[in-house]
Amino acid sequence: DAGVTQSPTHLIKTRGQQVTLRCSPKSGHDTVSWYQQALGQGPQFIFQYYEEEERQRGNFPDRFSGHQFPNYSSELNVNALLLGDSALYLCASSLDQGPGGYTFGSGTRLTVV
Amino acid sequence: AQSVTQLGSHVSVSEGALVLLRCNYSSSVPPYLFWYVQYPNQGLQLLLKYTSAATLVKGINGFEAEFKKSETSFHLTKPSAHMSDAAEYFCAVSFFSGGYNKLIFGAGTRLAVHP
Repeated sequence: DAGVTQSPTHLIKTRGQQVTLRCSPKSGHDTVSWYQQALGQGPQFIFQYYEEEERQRGNFPDRFSGHQFPNYSSELNVNALLLGDSALYLCASSLDQGPGGYTFGSGTRLTVV
Repeated sequence: AQSVTQLGSHVSVSEGALVLLRCNYSSSVPPYLFWYVQYPNQGLQLLLKYTSAATLVKGINGFEAEFKKSETSFHLTKPSAHMSDAAEYFCAVSFFSGGYNKLIFGAGTRLAVHP
């Protein structure tokens, strides 16, 4: 049973560019959350998608946007990249009904130069 | 508001010694609590979770944690450290309310294990 799959694993972008990260949830999971983990810090909640709608959002600017598709997969888009956006971006999937826990992917390491 | 405090950003133990990683939480409603481990350049792996059943929770790799409501704590322990336990450990809290839930993480504790 495949877990959470994220692509790409590593990415280098230039300031001002736009980036799209992708996530396929664990089989049977219907909710996808995105987290940003800066170096040496704990993951910070960006937003959560359920039924193709954003239903929770953390303290991140509108440059961060996302999408969830009918097959539950999700994308994270970041516009106008800043050096401070360099981080490990983690996708977590879960089942909406119940706090059974979140399954995390291995993340996408984004470096902005 | 919910929050998590992990006491000690770095903990160092000898192989075979007791591991104790501290976590205190703040929550206005009954919380669900988690411990995750992160190895270098990897994602997060769930060690164990507390979801209002038994207060002593056993997880993978010999780890366990005890939920103490009176102390608002959820400390992680392992009786005997192994070299392979060296990693970053994160405590996290969430609550379940009408399907709206998210994980709030602590800053993490890096565990080093010496021979």
